[in-house]
Amino acid sequence: AQTVTQSQPEMSVQEAETVTLSCTYDTSESDYYLFWYKQPPSRQMILVIRQEAYKQQNATENRFSVNFQKAAKSFSLKISDSQLGDAAMYFCAYRRDGGSQGNLIFGKGTKLSVKP
Amino acid sequence: DSGVTQTPKHLITATGQRVTLRCSPRSGDLSVYWYQQSLDQGLQFLIQYYNGEERAKGNILERFSAQQFPDLHSELNLSSLELGDSALYFCASSVDSSWVYEQYFGPGTRLTVT
Repeated sequence: AQTVTQSQPEMSVQEAETVTLSCTYDTSESDYYLFWYKQPPSRQMILVIRQEAYKQQNATENRFSVNFQKAAKSFSLKISDSQLGDAAMYFCAYRRDGGSQGNLIFGKGTKLSVKP
Repeated sequence: DSGVTQTPKHLITATGQRVTLRCSPRSGDLSVYWYQQSLDQGLQFLIQYYNGEERAKGNILERFSAQQFPDLHSELNLSSLELGDSALYFCASSVDSSWVYEQYFGPGTRLTVT
């Protein structure tokens, strides 16, 4: 069974600085998809960024980028120029490729605090 | 606003009771997913429906059941409730099961079992 591990329960960053959140996963599949979701205090789950495993190029969305290391099964999220609104729980998630089952498998999450 | 609606927002009930959580997917979305978020188990997948049919099951207890109706809204039924069922229940929807389509999450229903 696939598993997703986030080893940092909490992280803190100074406003305007850069922070990296770690995620590792375990799978025997060769094709899959990885996601980072943000959950602010409102509890809404918001997709931040996604990565297709067959793509070697790391995904980027504005201030958010990932470092995808397929061989190491590592998928970290880098937030640049951190803003107060980035404070939230961040969840790493995995989805297998193919088939009719599209469910996400989530890590336990990392709580990010942003200091002014 | 994701376009996915869930009712009620909060629900407080007693052990042994039965509740129904409702989800309306985004217009045009055929696939509905239910997830449970608890302090103990984190975010875990419960069940998926696609166009009225069950597609996948996750860690869903036998006391829980779900269905998707012809108008594509979905209901999650939780029975014989226990204290440990207290959690935030999310519904998510997507056009279909393909990865290219983002899963849009509703605001969740907070269930408290006392």
